Amino acid sequence: DVKVTQSSRYLVKRTGEKVFLECVQDMDHENMFWYRQDPGLGLRLIYFSYDVKMKEKGDIPEGYSVSREKKERFSLILESASTNQTSMYLCASSVLLGRGFQPYEQYFGPGTRLTVT
Amino acid sequence: DQQVKQNSPSLSVQEGRISILNCDYTNSMFDYFLWYKKYPAEGPTFLISISSIKDKNEDGRFTVFLNKSAKHLSLHIVPSQPGDSAVYFCAASASGGSQGNLIFGKGTKLSVKP
Repeated sequence: DVKVTQSSRYLVKRTGEKVFLECVQDMDHENMFWYRQDPGLGLRLIYFSYDVKMKEKGDIPEGYSVSREKKERFSLILESASTNQTSMYLCASSVLLGRGFQPYEQYFGPGTRLTVT
Repeated sequence: DQQVKQNSPSLSVQEGRISILNCDYTNSMFDYFLWYKKYPAEGPTFLISISSIKDKNEDGRFTVFLNKSAKHLSLHIVPSQPGDSAVYFCAASASGGSQGNLIFGKGTKLSVKP
């Protein structure tokens, strides 16, 4: 079974703190993604990565950065947390096409509920 | 502009009846569509998908229909069960576009009442 784990299920941070959200997948997937989910807004892509040390901006990258030093690990960084970054953060991974998995299927972690006060 | 639209934020259905969740898209380059199910405090899980070369795909109680000319797809759940109560996300991808990226709709919250 594909497993995507996220470092914390619940996190409470103060405004201005630097926040690290860690994601690890165990299926040797090339692609990794960070989303945030907010009521009425669905899943919005923050950043994604197709390979180690590669990153691409998604739809809402402002206020975030990412790091992918190893294939299995993708970190999301909030440089200076703000209250409007209170949200559910979801990490996902997927394979390049042709590797036998369901095409385009992304496997999600359980999510981190971040509250910034 | 939203490329994948789920216009019904919520749907309530009686147990045993059919649930129909709808999704519209605007990008004609989309050629693969997926449905995800999400329970509160959990990550989304893959439910069913369909390629644009098909118009129907069935998996147990779940069937997805694709109408390419109308740029519309729907998920049918028959019979609906209380455990189906969740948020359902429609997602689309274009094989010629950013590799592996999915565009998600905003979701429809399904409530199945016993």
